[in-house]
Amino acid sequence: GAVVSQHPSRVICKSGTSVKIECRSLDFQATTMFWYRQFPKQSLMLMATSNEGSKATYEQGVEKDKFLINHASLTLSTLTVTSAHPEDSSFYICSASKMNTEAFFGQGTRLTVV
Amino acid sequence: GDSVTQMEGPVTLSEEAFLTINCTYTATGYPSLFWYVQYPGEGLQLLLKATKADDKGSNKGFEATYRKETTSFHLEKGSVQVSDSAVYFCALIRPSFSGGYQKVTFGTGTKLQVIP
Repeated sequence: GAVVSQHPSRVICKSGTSVKIECRSLDFQATTMFWYRQFPKQSLMLMATSNEGSKATYEQGVEKDKFLINHASLTLSTLTVTSAHPEDSSFYICSASKMNTEAFFGQGTRLTVV
Repeated sequence: GDSVTQMEGPVTLSEEAFLTINCTYTATGYPSLFWYVQYPGEGLQLLLKATKADDKGSNKGFEATYRKETTSFHLEKGSVQVSDSAVYFCALIRPSFSGGYQKVTFGTGTKLQVIP
């Protein structure tokens, strides 16, 4: 099946700094990727839809200036958490899908802001 | 809008017990239905899927049947193992006839703990 690779798998950063998370589709082109945040009680929240070559579409309540998404190519989307705070600590997961198939997920990134 | 409801956990079973995790959905049209599994500290992996009514998805001893009349997609396994301990997510994806992206609607996840 298709592979989506997410990097890094774990990152610890200081409060006030920015962190970039990469999501790559390794064996297919993904015009659209999705970014999710998983909360401690396991529910997944869709943060934004990343569209290649255009602006991301953010879900209601997600701060677009805080969670910057760039989808510069058909195989790479990045999520940058700017001016991170402890409350941004979470598990972030990206996904991508080929046309009319299931979504393929990255391994996730555990972000800890200290 | 679309929604997926699955039973709350955690579900604790002894090894070799029978497993059922209920999942019902609300969606217009004809969504595809999925079960994803998340092992501790990892991302989500596709467990099984069904793309139309009465389809049965199966993998690794797990099964689920797409029941349009009851809008359900319950996950079952006849004999669970300790290695099945994970969080299970029911999900639906509505096909995009224009092609391109698929937005996934997830249930809240059900944690399964299997004890020896």
